[in-house]
Amino acid sequence: AQRVTQPEKLLSVFKGAPVELKCNYSYSGSPELFWYVQYSRQRLQLLLRHISRESIKGFTADLNKGETSFHLKKPFAQEEDSAMYYCALIQDEKLTFGTGTRLTIIP
Amino acid sequence: DTAVSQTPKYLVTQMGNDKSIKCEQNLGHDTMYWYKQDSKKFLKIMFSYNNKELIINETVPNRFSPKSPDKAHLNLHINSLELGDSAVYFCASLRSGANVLTFGAGSRLTVL
Repeated sequence: AQRVTQPEKLLSVFKGAPVELKCNYSYSGSPELFWYVQYSRQRLQLLLRHISRESIKGFTADLNKGETSFHLKKPFAQEEDSAMYYCALIQDEKLTFGTGTRLTIIP
Repeated sequence: DTAVSQTPKYLVTQMGNDKSIKCEQNLGHDTMYWYKQDSKKFLKIMFSYNNKELIINETVPNRFSPKSPDKAHLNLHINSLELGDSAVYFCASLRSGANVLTFGAGSRLTVL
């Protein structure tokens, strides 16, 4: 069965410092992975997906099949990055989320 | 203009009541979902419909009954509400082949 693990429930980082939100998955097959973000009092929205291999708002995530990881990274955190971040995996049109990490950027 | 819209945004009700949350999408997507976000912010899939047909039905009490009158609408009816039903319910839709879900703004249900 597919499973997504985000080991950190809370993460606090100083403004300007690097950010890494961890995500590991278990899936028998070729996974398609995503990061979704939920800013305060806003709807959940797609941040990025591994197949597009792009940087969104300075964030990148690389799929590492050997380590079954899809960590989200940003070299310099900004205050507006404070939000809930969810890693997710899709199979047969079913999107399974990790438990989420609340990122707080300290000014 | 909102792609996925849910009503009501807030719902406060007493235990034992029956309530409904409505969802509509104007994106022309074929698949719609209901997700539940609990107080710990865990997001869990409840149901999915594709072209009015139920395709995903997770372990959800049968007090919850989704209804899809057409592929643009997926409503959620909850009977005999319990305290543990308090959560934010998110509707979402998916364009087949794109694998990206578009979410509604959520409906916060509070059961007293």
